[in-house]
Amino acid sequence: GEDVEQSLFLSVREGDSSVINCTYTDSSSTYLYWYKQEPGAGLQLLTYIFSNMDMKQDQRLTVLLNKKDKHLSLRIADTQTGDSAIYFCAEGNFNKFYFGSGTKLNVKP
Amino acid sequence: GAVVSQHPSWVICKSGTSVKIECRSLDFQATTMFWYRQFPKQSLMLMATSNEGSKATYEQGVEKDKFLINHASLTLSTLTVTSAHPEDSSFYICSARAVDKNTGELFFGEGSRLTVL
Repeated sequence: GEDVEQSLFLSVREGDSSVINCTYTDSSSTYLYWYKQEPGAGLQLLTYIFSNMDMKQDQRLTVLLNKKDKHLSLRIADTQTGDSAIYFCAEGNFNKFYFGSGTKLNVKP
Repeated sequence: GAVVSQHPSWVICKSGTSVKIECRSLDFQATTMFWYRQFPKQSLMLMATSNEGSKATYEQGVEKDKFLINHASLTLSTLTVTSAHPEDSSFYICSARAVDKNTGELFFGEGSRLTVL
């Protein structure tokens, strides 16, 4: 499958902004996603962006896409303890989706 | 949002037995469902793409005779782990894409944890 990479851990203090980064290799990706996984649970779609966009904002979430560098980021403003989870980026087209290794976000009170 | 349900959530079985996991789209029709496997503290690995009414497409390295996938209707896909062994113990997650949505959104089930003794 395609290569999607993320850093494994991120630790921030409550109220700070969190930025989770992701790089991918498939230049034909149509959609890029961010999912959240809480312990023992499935994946929750947070947001997604079309490959022809470079930014999308949804309340506390901001997604930035640099298609030239194949770099995707998720910024969480005013991070809360409830945001502690593993965040997966995923890329693909209509038929296949590949996931990064996940970034474990730890929010300290 | 759309709901995808998996059953069972947890299953423990003896080595050598077969286990079936169901993935249902509850409020939408899905022509395509995906099956993923997740190892502890690791990412999701795409196992196969399940298309309604046709044979599943397996990723390289995934044994099709080991992991039988059936997508008999627009709301149900099943994954059967045949002759399960302890190394098959894992978290299996399905996802589905709605027929009437062209946004590319994937909806995920809550996952099924398989433990093979």
